[in-house]
Amino acid sequence: QVQLQQWGAGLLKPSENLSLTCAVYGGSFSTYYWTWIRQSPGRGLEWIGEIYHSGSTTYSPSLKSRVTISVDTSKNQFSLNLSSVTAADTAVYYCGVRDCSDSVCPLGYWGPGTLVTVSS
Amino acid sequence: SSELTQDPAVSVALGQTVRITCQGDSLRRFYASWYQQKPGQAPVLVIYGKYSRGIPDRFSGSSSGNTASLTITGAQADDEADYYCSSRDISGSHWLFGGGTKLTVL
Repeated sequence: QVQLQQWGAGLLKPSENLSLTCAVYGGSFSTYYWTWIRQSPGRGLEWIGEIYHSGSTTYSPSLKSRVTISVDTSKNQFSLNLSSVTAADTAVYYCGVRDCSDSVCPLGYWGPGTLVTVSS
Repeated sequence: SSELTQDPAVSVALGQTVRITCQGDSLRRFYASWYQQKPGQAPVLVIYGKYSRGIPDRFSGSSSGNTASLTITGAQADDEADYYCSSRDISGSHWLFGGGTKLTVL
C-alpha cells in the first residue's frame, strides 16, 4: 500500500517561491509517475506537472515558466518549486502517484494536501 | 479543445441511478479516470477506464465518442461528494481535470 506524506511552507508573500516535498512509502518508486495537483479555494483540480523516476518531466503549459519538479530517488521523495507566487497561487497542493501499468494511468494515491496561502 | 466539461451539479434520489458525464475531444482517444472528493478530504480514485478500484460495485464507468460517464446504481447518502474526471489532453502530453460535478443525494 502506497502512502504519501507531504510538507512545506504554508504561508508565503507575493514574489516568494513555493517549495513542497512529498515522501512516498510502500510503493515501487521506479515504476510510477510522481504528480503535483492543486485546488484553489472552492474551485476544481488543476494538474501542475509530474516527473518519472528517470527525471523526465512534463508541466502544465500555463505554469511551465514557473514550475520545477525534481526527484530524490535515494530518499523516495519528490519536490515542487513554483517561483514568483501571487495570490492566484493560493491553493491546496496535493502530491499524487500515477500508475501507468494500465494505459489509463490513474492517480491511484494522493497525499493529504498542503494549504499554501499567498498574502502580503 | 483541450478541456474536459462536466455539469456543475447533479442530484439523485436515494436508491436511484445517476450518470455523471464528462465531455472533451481527447476522450475520443483516451479513457478517463474518475475521482471522488468529500469536503476537506483529498480526492480518491473510484474508476479508471471501465474498471473500479476498491469501491462499491454500484460505481461503473463507460465511454462513447467524446463523452465519458460515471454511473452510480442505487445511490447512497455516502455518495454525496464532488466528482472529477481526468484524462490526457488531445496531444497526449499533458493531463486535464474536468471542472467537477457536485452530486447531491436527496
